[in-house]
Amino acid sequence: EVQLVESGGGLVQPGRSLRLSCTASGFTFGDYAMSWVRQAPGKGLEWVGFIRSKAYGGTTEYAASVKGRFTISRDDSKSIAYLQMNSLKTEDTAVYYCTRVPAATIAFDIWGQGTMVTVSS
Amino acid sequence: QSALTQPASVSGSPGQSITISCTGTSSDVGGYNYVSWYQQHPGKAPKLMIYDVSNRPSGVSNRFSGSKSGNTASLTISGLQAEDEADYYCSSYTSSSTLHVVFGGGTKLTVL
Repeated sequence: EVQLVESGGGLVQPGRSLRLSCTASGFTFGDYAMSWVRQAPGKGLEWVGFIRSKAYGGTTEYAASVKGRFTISRDDSKSIAYLQMNSLKTEDTAVYYCTRVPAATIAFDIWGQGTMVTVSS
Repeated sequence: QSALTQPASVSGSPGQSITISCTGTSSDVGGYNYVSWYQQHPGKAPKLMIYDVSNRPSGVSNRFSGSKSGNTASLTISGLQAEDEADYYCSSYTSSSTLHVVFGGGTKLTVL
């Protein structure tokens, strides 16, 4: 079964850091770009960023709201994608979803269950 | 304010058809065929329903269809069923320098 499982969420104070993990199974992880999408409580979806597969350089792109604070990385040997979040703000409070990006398109075909990040003092 | 504009809510009776619009600009919806649609039930993760404007992933009912005209994309659900009641989000690639992917604000579908 194709699956993504996020972990690492929790309560963190403003200005602190947190790292989320996304463990993939059921597919060849290294063949796919991976993306993070978040959803603030009661709000809509917001794209956070993505990391291309190694075949496309493994480069990253970020939304302006997180650029310079968040970093996406991947470990293809472990089938894990990471979202390192630094200098967290209260407005970063959201459910964070890990998603898979199929080849030759910009869409999110597989989603994890999400992990909640609460930034509060 | 969301980059793509969707109606806040739509409703329909079982068996009817409804259409949800998603309006952007020539920098996103109008300029690329990378429009996708997602269904989200309360407390659940979103599910991909349509990609590349009109393609359905394997396993998605053919009651769901997508189209695009100019800067507006549309999702049509025919033969409405109770389980279709959910939030629907559109998404598009964008050439904006500050974003690569934009979402609509979401549409709440109520099956009467």
